[in-house]
Amino acid sequence: DADVTQTPRNRITKTGKRIMLECSQTKGHDRMYWYRQDPGLGLRLIYYSFDVKDINKGEISDGYSVSRQAQAKFSLSLESAIPNQTALYFCATSDLHTNYGYTFGSGTRLTVV
Amino acid sequence: GENVEQHPSTLSVQEGDSAVIKCTYSDSASNYFPWYKQELGKRPQLIIDIRSNVGEKKDQRIAVTLNKTAKHFSLHITETQPEDSAVYFCASSNNNDMRFGAGTRLTVKP
Repeated sequence: DADVTQTPRNRITKTGKRIMLECSQTKGHDRMYWYRQDPGLGLRLIYYSFDVKDINKGEISDGYSVSRQAQAKFSLSLESAIPNQTALYFCATSDLHTNYGYTFGSGTRLTVV
Repeated sequence: GENVEQHPSTLSVQEGDSAVIKCTYSDSASNYFPWYKQELGKRPQLIIDIRSNVGEKKDQRIAVTLNKTAKHFSLHITETQPEDSAVYFCASSNNNDMRFGAGTRLTVKP
């Protein structure tokens, strides 16, 4: 679905660099989330946001920060990337009122060398 | 929220057989239990979900059962087909956040 868009799709970066992953949605959903996926570990929650003024830490927020610039935009930053942050990152959205299943973006494959 | 355990981690079945994946959760406040299918290189896609006031839900070859007392829920796929091969994730939500199981890699052999 083009309604949750992540950029970039792939990125290779060096240890110590700052990098931002972006997510935008056209679904009009209030809630947005960032997850990382590692083999054998499933999807782990990094941060989530219920509206523009609301930011919450998830299971594994250390080393990450987020910004909810608008209802439709939620970005994830790695202030100083390290190799164990190499993973597949997914943004997801859901509706505040229905709390139905998430709609995921296509993912960003990040490699830190 | 909180932990979700999923078993088995890998499952191989013959085409036409049934497949069952089981999950347990720890958060008593969980009230929504979706299942996602992720094909290779693609995003997870919702395939079925169940709410805590329902014990079972079925959609064609896929069914989900929930035992709230025991805090476990299961995905049942009948008459499996090769295109069912994928990684399946269970999840539980308490209205605030959603926690996922580690995934089950299902292989359906023709």
